[in-house]
Amino acid sequence: AQKVTQAQTEISVVEKEDVTLDCVYETRDTTYYLFWYKQPPSGELVFLIRRNSFDEQNEISGRYSWNFQKSTSSFNFTITASQVVDSAVYFCALSRPNTGNQFYFGTGTSLTVIP
Amino acid sequence: DAGVIQSPRHEVTEMGQEVTLRCKPISGHDYLFWYRQTMMRGLELLIYFNNNVPIDDSGMPEDRFSAKMPNASFSTLKIQPSEPRDSAVYFCASSQQGRWAGNTIYFGEGSWLTVV
Repeated sequence: AQKVTQAQTEISVVEKEDVTLDCVYETRDTTYYLFWYKQPPSGELVFLIRRNSFDEQNEISGRYSWNFQKSTSSFNFTITASQVVDSAVYFCALSRPNTGNQFYFGTGTSLTVIP
Repeated sequence: DAGVIQSPRHEVTEMGQEVTLRCKPISGHDYLFWYRQTMMRGLELLIYFNNNVPIDDSGMPEDRFSAKMPNASFSTLKIQPSEPRDSAVYFCASSQQGRWAGNTIYFGEGSWLTVV
């Protein structure tokens, strides 16, 4: 069975602090994709990143970085020097590309950045 | 390029009324999804289509809910009759299957439904 766990329900940090959002997944598939989405207070769901199961390279995009480790089934997301605009709910998700494009979302982590 | 377009953005309706939510997927995408988001249940997949054909509607809560996709550029989610417990944000999303597309789902801005 597929499952995505985001154990951190809510996180609060002071502006300019670094923060890591954890994501642990379960799957028996050898081919899969991992995603992060951001849902700001305005409500839309914004795609941030996709990683396929064969690419364990870490990725950095500005203040955002992602650490994918198959050995621990984790796909963690770090925001460096957090800003108030980073306040949002962040969802981790897993998809199975060969099974009808099914997505499995975590329950989300609500991040509050305090000015 | 235009993203997924949903309408209405906000809807307030009385219990028992019919509600129709509309969605225009991203051009060229062959999958369309309807999700519902509530505080209690998080994001739930209601139904998805592939090439306009419903593939899995096991997430549709009950017969009051129905979805159609008459063509590649339009889908509707209908609730009839609506009930207060249907109050939620309904997201439409689309994706393109394929090796390079990576089947990333792109969401619309959501339709915020309140049934009073």
